[in-house]
Amino acid sequence: EAGVAQSPRYKIIEKRQSVAFWCNPISGHATLYWYQQILGQGPKLLIQFQNNGVVDDSQLPKDRFSAERLKGVDSTLKIQPAKLEDSAVYLCASSLGGDRNTDTQYFGPGTRLTVL
Amino acid sequence: AQSVTQLGSHVSVSEGALVLLRCNYSSSVPPYLFWYVQYPNQGLQLLLKYTSAATLVKGINGFEAEFKKSETSFHLTKPSAHMSDAAEYFCAVSARGRQLTFGSGTQLTVLP
Repeated sequence: EAGVAQSPRYKIIEKRQSVAFWCNPISGHATLYWYQQILGQGPKLLIQFQNNGVVDDSQLPKDRFSAERLKGVDSTLKIQPAKLEDSAVYLCASSLGGDRNTDTQYFGPGTRLTVL
Repeated sequence: AQSVTQLGSHVSVSEGALVLLRCNYSSSVPPYLFWYVQYPNQGLQLLLKYTSAATLVKGINGFEAEFKKSETSFHLTKPSAHMSDAAEYFCAVSARGRQLTFGSGTQLTVLP
């Protein structure tokens, strides 16, 4: 079974530039998550989708971050414009979607973003 | 509100020794608790989870954890450490209607 795919794996940009990350979840998984993991910290949820609808985006900085999940499969996360403090690993995860609290989340390898 | 505290950002054990990684949680409602492992340059992988059934939970790779409500703890243990256990370990909590909240992680080093 293929896992969660993410690209690119690494990205270096200058502040005020834009960047986009792509995620392809495990086939059949209805729920998709984007997390931000800053060095030395645990992952922090940015946004959660159930199919193509947003379930929770309470911690997404909406002035600069946006995400979409068209057709309920792939998802993209965009930052525009980037700030130095956005340097982090961006993790995508997916789950079956039966129970948002006890579902096992399967994580991709992440995209490491460096903002200079 | 809910939170997780992992005591000890770095833990070192000798190969073959007991592994004990500590996790304390705070939740105003009955929690669900998870341990994830992260190897370098990889995503997180679920080790085990507590979802209000048996309080002693067995996971993959010989790890287990015990939910102790009176101590608000969910410590991770393994009787005998292996070199391949070297990784970062994250404890996480969720509850009905709430998102998954992670601790700051514990880096486990296994010494030969």
